[in-house]
Amino acid sequence: GEDVEQSLFLSVREGDSSVINCTYTDSSSTYLYWYKQEPGAGLQLLTYIFSNMDMKQDQRLTVLLNKKDKHLSLRIADTQTGDSAIYFCAESINDYKLSFGAGTTVTVRA
Amino acid sequence: DGGITQSPKYLFRKEGQNVTLSCEQNLNHDAMYWYRQDPGQGLRLIYYSQIVNDFQKGDIAEGYSVSREKKESFPLTVTSAQKNPTAFYLCASSPGTPTTGELFFGEGSRLTVL
Repeated sequence: GEDVEQSLFLSVREGDSSVINCTYTDSSSTYLYWYKQEPGAGLQLLTYIFSNMDMKQDQRLTVLLNKKDKHLSLRIADTQTGDSAIYFCAESINDYKLSFGAGTTVTVRA
Repeated sequence: DGGITQSPKYLFRKEGQNVTLSCEQNLNHDAMYWYRQDPGQGLRLIYYSQIVNDFQKGDIAEGYSVSREKKESFPLTVTSAQKNPTAFYLCASSPGTPTTGELFFGEGSRLTVL
């Protein structure tokens, strides 16, 4: 089945690390993604991880993948006010289709 | 610059009226998509098209229609049969296979039914 779940809200202090968690159900997914949506705008790809990888790091972002538990996380180091947004986890269903979670609203407080 | 353009950004409609949302891309992508976004529900796929003159229903196609007469364009019509059309609509495209499956999104169109 196609079901991606993530918590709806996260509040973090500026300068701390943020960790957003996601679980997915399709074990055949080739890629897993993190997208960012700023208010009133479309989604932008932040990063993705191939299903045979455990970890991917890209500057302040670290993605961890636990295939056994079907768990994906995104860590944002040194969180800034510009990181306030909705973050979507998504899995590839086939070459043409992604399944998205409901999105986690991250609020960065001073 | 290459990208996806959606118009209008905001649209108001009376009940019983059809409305068409425009989506144009100059990325030379084969595949195009329409998603609906409601608070707390994430993105739900309405229709997608892999090539010109071909499209498939997504998870919530009832009350919507699309066409794909040109590679660059994938308009969405919200018909009067759609019972709850007020939402944020997102158009996206992708190069098709074999790729990482990344989607490129437009800025969205917010439809409000009065």
